[in-house]
Amino acid sequence: QSALTQSASVSGSPGQSITISCTGTSNDVGTYDLVSWYQQHPGKAPKLMIYEVNKRPSGVSDRFSGSKSGNTASLTISGLQAEDEADYYCCSYAGSSNPWVFGGGTRLTVL
Amino acid sequence: EVQLVQSGAEVKKSGESLKISCQGSGYKFATYWIGWVRQMPGKGLEWMGIIYPEDSETRYSPSFQGQITISVDKSINTAYLHWRSLKASDTAMYYCARRGKGGSPPDFWGQGTLVTVSS
Repeated sequence: QSALTQSASVSGSPGQSITISCTGTSNDVGTYDLVSWYQQHPGKAPKLMIYEVNKRPSGVSDRFSGSKSGNTASLTISGLQAEDEADYYCCSYAGSSNPWVFGGGTRLTVL
Repeated sequence: EVQLVQSGAEVKKSGESLKISCQGSGYKFATYWIGWVRQMPGKGLEWMGIIYPEDSETRYSPSFQGQITISVDKSINTAYLHWRSLKASDTAMYYCARRGKGGSPPDFWGQGTLVTVSS
């Protein structure tokens, strides 16, 4: 069970938009609309930001949005703010015997 | 309010056994899968295994099968992660997390338990 592929790092200036991609296969991202995105600040537990590809939990800013095309899911953060600087992980369902496949993580730096 | 509260940090020696816990509250514990996730220092998230408290059905990642045991006591809303013989390479932060509805990846996470194993 290979991890999903994310770029190691991305950066942007305050107010800009950035997109983080997450590439899987037809065994996970490509088949199931069960992709979530997590934000993790240093020393903290991951926090759910997007679930089921494009849904936001209550309390998550609408600056965060998700989408999917084929085997690739994406997280877009608009109007970057300093507090968005964190690690971001995608995760996809990949069947009952492999329910959680994570991406390697992307470090977002707000310049 | 959904909460997952994990047991405190542990410092152990290689070869020792260890069981850490994760207690859920604020929801019907027995009807949501609980999974365990490892994060080694400076690294990403890895799924280890998952358990359904209602009937204790358990599934393990092939990477961790045989190395760990996941169990649950639904009478006290608590899931466990157990090692029989720790190795230095088990040093990591361990998170429990509740599986989302409809098979989704985790929706709520515990605060993490740091396990440090010296050789």
